[in-house]
Amino acid sequence: DAGVTQSPTHLIKTRGQQVTLRCSPKSGHDTVSWYQQALGQGPQFIFQYYEEEERQRGNFPDRFSGHQFPNYSSELNVNALLLGDSALYLCASSLGQSVPQHFGDGTRLSIL
Amino acid sequence: AQSVTQPDIHITVSEGASLELRCNYSYGATPYLFWYVQSPGQGLQLLLKYFSGDTLVQGIKGFEAEFKRSQSSFNLRKPSVHWSDAAEYFCAVGARTSYDKVIFGPGTSLSVIP
Repeated sequence: DAGVTQSPTHLIKTRGQQVTLRCSPKSGHDTVSWYQQALGQGPQFIFQYYEEEERQRGNFPDRFSGHQFPNYSSELNVNALLLGDSALYLCASSLGQSVPQHFGDGTRLSIL
Repeated sequence: AQSVTQPDIHITVSEGASLELRCNYSYGATPYLFWYVQSPGQGLQLLLKYFSGDTLVQGIKGFEAEFKRSQSSFNLRKPSVHWSDAAEYFCAVGARTSYDKVIFGPGTSLSVIP
């Protein structure tokens, strides 16, 4: 039973660039949430996708956007990268927007 | 405002000793409560959850937690800590309705002395 998978594992970008992170939910799940975890902090909710639509959004600027595909996989896009965007980006999946969510191992994004 | 506090940033215990990690929350509705564990470089693993019913819940790896509504607390406990328990522990709260985000506390880092 495949869990939540994220790619890539690590990524290095420079300021001003754009990045796309990918997530495949746990088998049987249809809801994907994205979190940003800065070093030494708890995860912060970015947004949630269900039925290919953004359903909820946390306190993140429009530079952060996403997409959900018909197969329930999801992408997180960040434009105009800032140094402060350096973090571990976690994807979590669930069924029908329910809790608890199952988390992937994350993508470590470093901005130079 | 919705929030989760974990008063202890870092805790060190000896292997075999008991453990209690504190969690307090502020939430407008009756919450769902969770404890997650994160090993270095990895994602979050669910230890246990409280939805309703018995206020003492059992989780994986020998952990338990007790929901105290009057104190808005959900403390995590383990009677005997193992060296492999060293990790970061996060308390989280979510809504009983399915349409609200999960809020995480800042985490407590646990070190275990052999």
